Amino acid sequence: EAQVTQNPRYLITVTGKKLTVTCSQNMNHEYMSWYRQDPGLGLRQIYYSMNVEVTDKGDVPEGYKVSRKEKRNFPLILESPSPNQTSLYFCASSPRGPRGETQYFGPGTRLLVL
Amino acid sequence: SQQGEEDPQALSIQEGENATMNCSYKTSINNLQWYRQNSGRGLVHLILIRSNEREKHSGRLRVTLDTSKKSSSLLITASRAADTASYFCATDEAYQIYNQGGKLIFGQGTELSVKP
Repeated sequence: EAQVTQNPRYLITVTGKKLTVTCSQNMNHEYMSWYRQDPGLGLRQIYYSMNVEVTDKGDVPEGYKVSRKEKRNFPLILESPSPNQTSLYFCASSPRGPRGETQYFGPGTRLLVL
Repeated sequence: SQQGEEDPQALSIQEGENATMNCSYKTSINNLQWYRQNSGRGLVHLILIRSNEREKHSGRLRVTLDTSKKSSSLLITASRAADTASYFCATDEAYQIYNQGGKLIFGQGTELSVKP
């Protein structure tokens, strides 16, 4: 089944403890992206990757890192999480990019930073 | 920066009625898409309309795009309780010469409740 998977689905952590949220897609898509969703703010793009080894900042990249070493994986790294990063995170992918292409979303990861 | 602004923020209707949601954006775009989200789950693509199109249909969905007003509307006809969800518009900005063209900007969403 074609899908985008995220792990973990739920995570409670403490301030400053490094964490990684994984994202994987099995559709051979070149483009992958991370978003955070907060009440009243919709989805905001954190980082995106047009292809392997090519990443760029979205609108809210502060406090996050990403890497794209393989086409199928695009992990989101929080080196030193803070409470303001408590949010619902979504990974998405598409064949080549956001222009005119359906984005396929993962199920989301709920993160609580204490 | 938030490109898409949606209106209304919340909409409550009875089953069988039509639901109309609006999206406004600030810059020139290539395409506008509408997505649906059920209660904190992943977003699902509904329909895409290109900047040179004015109207598009898909089943009970009708989307219009007015590039002169920088706005779009999503109409759901004969709504059902199962249409209860949040609806988001997303735009990819034209002339993304300052980045790789990978930015996609979502609106804040309209929360639709359809009562049986």
